[in-house]
Amino acid sequence: GDSVTQMEGPVTLSEEAFLTINCTYTATGYPSLFWYVQYPGEGLQLLLKATKADDKGSNKGFEATYRKETTSFHLEKGSVQVSDSAVYFCALSLQGSQGNLIFGKGTKLSVKP
Amino acid sequence: DTGVSQDPRHKITKRGQNVTFRCDPISEHNRLYWYRQTLGQGPEFLTYFQNEAQLEKSRLLSDRFSAERPKGSFSTLEIQRTEQGDSAMYLCASSFSGGHQETQYFGPGTRLLVL
Repeated sequence: GDSVTQMEGPVTLSEEAFLTINCTYTATGYPSLFWYVQYPGEGLQLLLKATKADDKGSNKGFEATYRKETTSFHLEKGSVQVSDSAVYFCALSLQGSQGNLIFGKGTKLSVKP
Repeated sequence: DTGVSQDPRHKITKRGQNVTFRCDPISEHNRLYWYRQTLGQGPEFLTYFQNEAQLEKSRLLSDRFSAERPKGSFSTLEIQRTEQGDSAMYLCASSFSGGHQETQYFGPGTRLLVL
C-alpha cells in the first residue's frame, strides 16, 4: 500500500553541521510530498512541500527535491542551529485524494551547541 | 486568525468511559481532518469533513468512534467505551480547498490516556 519511510532517529548533530534526513515513498500516481516539523510542546507545522517531480521545496534554510525516479524527498540543511531541534515528519498526499496525509514515523533531531 | 485549537489538551479516563474532544478550525477553512498519533509513530488519518459532510473514514475508525461537524465549523470526536489501546494523541487539522494540495494546519492535539 501507499507509505512513507524515513530514516530512524534520533539524529544528534553539532551546531553548523550539515543535515540530511532521508525519506522515500511508495504511492500510485503522482503524490504531493511534504515535510512537517514538530517543535517541543508545539503542534505540527508545514516546513516545505513539492507537488510534482523535480520541484524543490525550501523554507528556513531547509530544502528537499521531489525525485520521481528514486521515489525520494530527502530533507537537507547546510548549517543546523540549536533551534532546529525538533521531530521532522515526511508525508505524502495521494493524487486525486481528499488531501489526507500519509506520514512517516518521524525523525528526532537534536542539535548541540 | 488564532490557528486551530483543540480542547481539552489532556484527558485521563478509565476504561469503558466515553470521551469527547473538540476542534475549532481556522475560521475560513472548509476542510477538517482528524488524525491519531501513538508514541514513536507518525499521525494516522481517521476521518475528513468538507463543510458539514463527513466524506471519508479510515478503517482505523471503529464503530466506537464518531465524529461530527454540525454547522461546518467546529468538530467533535467521541470515543465510546474507551479501551487502553485508544491512548494516543488526537490531532485535528484544517485547510481551505482553494487550490492544488492546499496546506493543512494542525492544532496542538488532545492527549488521551485510558487507564
